[in-house]
Amino acid sequence: SQQGEEDPQALSIQEGENATMNCSYKTSINNLQWYRQNSGRGLVHLILIRSNEREKHSGRLRVTLDTSKKSSSLLITASRAADTASYFCATKMTGRRALTFGSGTRLQVQP
Amino acid sequence: EAQVTQNPRYLITVTGKKLTVTCSQNMNHEYMSWYRQDPGLGLRQIYYSMNVEVTDKGDVPEGYKVSRKEKRNFPLILESPSPNQTSLYFCASSPQGATNEKLFFGSGTQLSVL
Repeated sequence: SQQGEEDPQALSIQEGENATMNCSYKTSINNLQWYRQNSGRGLVHLILIRSNEREKHSGRLRVTLDTSKKSSSLLITASRAADTASYFCATKMTGRRALTFGSGTRLQVQP
Repeated sequence: EAQVTQNPRYLITVTGKKLTVTCSQNMNHEYMSWYRQDPGLGLRQIYYSMNVEVTDKGDVPEGYKVSRKEKRNFPLILESPSPNQTSLYFCASSPQGATNEKLFFGSGTQLSVL
């Protein structure tokens, strides 16, 4: 099973609405990252939140981290059709070198 | 432009025919890694390299080889490909593989093994 599990698996919204994606993980982490992937392309880093941070903003993105619940959320505000993509959380577990990715949330923003 | 370049973008081959997927980065990164992406399974790490001549297994190394003779290049070798290696492959790099670094990804190689 994956260290990071995104929820929902798929999300369809209208342009202008907010999109919220959640990520749960199982073990202690150093940090959690969110990546975006356009269809069949390479992943692009969006934001990193450290284990001692609770919230972080970057433009229209807001990420929260709750280490007591082992969960994170990614909020995209005022979504655009160009935000249509898959979004992955990735965690680096304490003592491990590799980033572990979840299965992703497929976001469809209808114009 | 800073980038990770993979080739080829698409590859169709037959079982048992050795192939190499190349990866090159122009950012002087020490850390490079290969992932495969399969539906419902996310990205899984195959091999990684912390520096020249230093490589190590990831979560799914069986059936793959890598080498790191130069800092910029990290080829992925399938000596005897099998159909279960049909997948989307990504190369990625970061400055030193530190815990707070983001990964830079290539555009991917879609491999089909018949």
